[in-house]
Amino acid sequence: NAGVMQNPRHLVRRRGQEARLRCSPMKGHSHVYWYRQLPEEGLKFMVYLQKENIIDESGMPKERFSAEFPKEGPSILRIQQVVRGDSAAYFCASSHREGGYTFGSGTRLTVV
Amino acid sequence: GIQVEQSPPDLILQEGANSTLRCNFSDSVNNLQWFHQNPWGQLINLFYIPSGTKQNGRLSATTVATERYSLLYISSSQTTDSGVYFCAVEWIQGAQKLVFGQGTRLTINP
Repeated sequence: NAGVMQNPRHLVRRRGQEARLRCSPMKGHSHVYWYRQLPEEGLKFMVYLQKENIIDESGMPKERFSAEFPKEGPSILRIQQVVRGDSAAYFCASSHREGGYTFGSGTRLTVV
Repeated sequence: GIQVEQSPPDLILQEGANSTLRCNFSDSVNNLQWFHQNPWGQLINLFYIPSGTKQNGRLSATTVATERYSLLYISSSQTTDSGVYFCAVEWIQGAQKLVFGQGTRLTINP
């Protein structure tokens, strides 16, 4: 069981570019959650997705951010026209009723 | 929404010391987990403990759901225990997601 896989581990983008972050949940799980951690802060919920459905996007910024979890392939968190304030660690998790949530290793986005 | 408060915010100890980290939450929860974020940023799942007591080596945790708090105990601290410890809960009245506290930063000096 490979756990929750995220890539890339580190991503550097210039202001105005697009960032695409990928997440594959644990084998057999069909729910993914995205969280953002700003420097020196805790993790904040962004979005909860099931295959082909957005269940809860109450934590997503209204503009430039989108997420999808297609029938085939990983979940994608997409940030358009990145700004310096988007620099953060982005974590993905999948859940299992018996043992809670498991997090991936995160993607550290740096906007220069 | 639910509030999650952790204390203390910072803790500095010598190797070998014991420590207790506290997590208070403002409402009933389905789920409570403790995580360790190591200096490389990885989030390690320590305990899934919505109630009761669990132990894993030098670490143990207790959640008293009726009184809305959880405690994480670390005994005989090692320098590798350094990092930030997060408590996270799933609110019983809320959507299916974890709400994190602000964390306790633990520094273990040799």
